[in-house]
Amino acid sequence: KNEVEQSPQNLTAQEGEFITINCSYSVGISALHWLQQHPGGGIVSLFMLSSGKKKHGRLIATINIQEKHSSLHITASHPRDSAVYICAVYTGANSKLTFGKGITLSVRP
Amino acid sequence: EAQVTQNPRYLITVTGKKLTVTCSQNMNHEYMSWYRQDPGLGLRQIYYSMNVEVTDKGDVPEGYKVSRKEKRNFPLILESPSPNQTSLYFCASRSGGSAFFGQGTRLTVV
Repeated sequence: KNEVEQSPQNLTAQEGEFITINCSYSVGISALHWLQQHPGGGIVSLFMLSSGKKKHGRLIATINIQEKHSSLHITASHPRDSAVYICAVYTGANSKLTFGKGITLSVRP
Repeated sequence: EAQVTQNPRYLITVTGKKLTVTCSQNMNHEYMSWYRQDPGLGLRQIYYSMNVEVTDKGDVPEGYKVSRKEKRNFPLILESPSPNQTSLYFCASRSGGSAFFGQGTRLTVV
């Protein structure tokens, strides 16, 4: 079993919809990272969080340490949000990083 | 501009020929790391460094070496590349809650 599980594996949405991407992990962590990878390969860090909630523009990330679960929400989705969203967790004093397989999001106009 | 720079972006090499992929950051970050990305397997950490002269293994360190002689540079060394090291490689640096990734290096070993 993978230490980091993401669901759903693929997601298609209509422009304007509210989207939720989930991440569950099975190990003790010090922090969790949400990453975005567009076609062409570049990786962008969206959020790093260890508790509570963070917001940046239309993106919101939450984490529940007790339940070992994090969610990434996209409000008013747009075709430019189409990308792979990857959850990764830090273990061992913020050093070792383990990744989920990523979720491919497609937002249709 | 804050950035992580990897070189080269693309490399085709032959089995056994030593190569180095360079990684440099201009943000004075202490933490740097290397990852490889493969279809179906996703991203996996190869090595990471918490500071100068401090390095540690990630999940897939076999066949790779790293060094951290100065804060800005973290090269990835393949002493004897093999075809199973054909992959897309990313370097990253991090400080606090901010992380930055390089553009990636697509390596093919034939």
